[in-house]
Amino acid sequence: QSALTQPASVSGSPGQSITISCTGTSSDVGGYNYVSWYQQYPGKVPKFMIYEVTNRPSGVPDRFSGSKSGNTASLTISGLQAEDEADYYCSSYTSSGTWVFGGGTKLTVL
Amino acid sequence: QVQLVQSGAEVKKPGASVKVSCKASGFTFTCCHMHWVRQAPGQGLEWMGIISPSGAYTNYAQKFLGRVTMTRDTSTSTVYMELSSLRSEDTAVYYCAKDLGGSWTFDYWGQGTLVTVSS
Repeated sequence: QSALTQPASVSGSPGQSITISCTGTSSDVGGYNYVSWYQQYPGKVPKFMIYEVTNRPSGVPDRFSGSKSGNTASLTISGLQAEDEADYYCSSYTSSGTWVFGGGTKLTVL
Repeated sequence: QVQLVQSGAEVKKPGASVKVSCKASGFTFTCCHMHWVRQAPGQGLEWMGIISPSGAYTNYAQKFLGRVTMTRDTSTSTVYMELSSLRSEDTAVYYCAKDLGGSWTFDYWGQGTLVTVSS
């Protein structure tokens, strides 16, 4: 199972919006609505931010949103804040009954 | 509150095995599937496998087939991950993670266990 494809890095200024893409195949991202997103600060434990493509767990700001089109899922952060600077990973359930992560995207807030 | 407390760091020689534990509290242990995920230094997250609530079902990433075994002990609310035939590339932080139950999402994570493989 190959890793999902994410851009290595994205950047944006405070207040702007950014989008991180996550591209898979019809056997994972495109085939199921079980895409989730995780935020990880350096040296810290990942935190889940989005589940089932679009759902936000309680406590996650509504500035974070998820979507999917075909084999590509996306995480959008609007009203970018300095504290959003972190690594972001997508994950998807697969047709093999396994899970696969993206390679991760480093978000820099300029 | 949900807590997943993992065992401490390990240093192993190539060819050896390591067994990492993850003790759960704050939720009904038998409710939920549990996963193991690892992260090599400076690298991304890598899913290793899943164990069902009863422990009767496991599914592992193809990369680890034949080398990994996941088990759980309901009497102590603990899950275990054993990785054998260790090589330097297995040096990583290993995390256990609870499944959100029906949403196939890792909602709570252990603090991580660093396993270093070095001769």
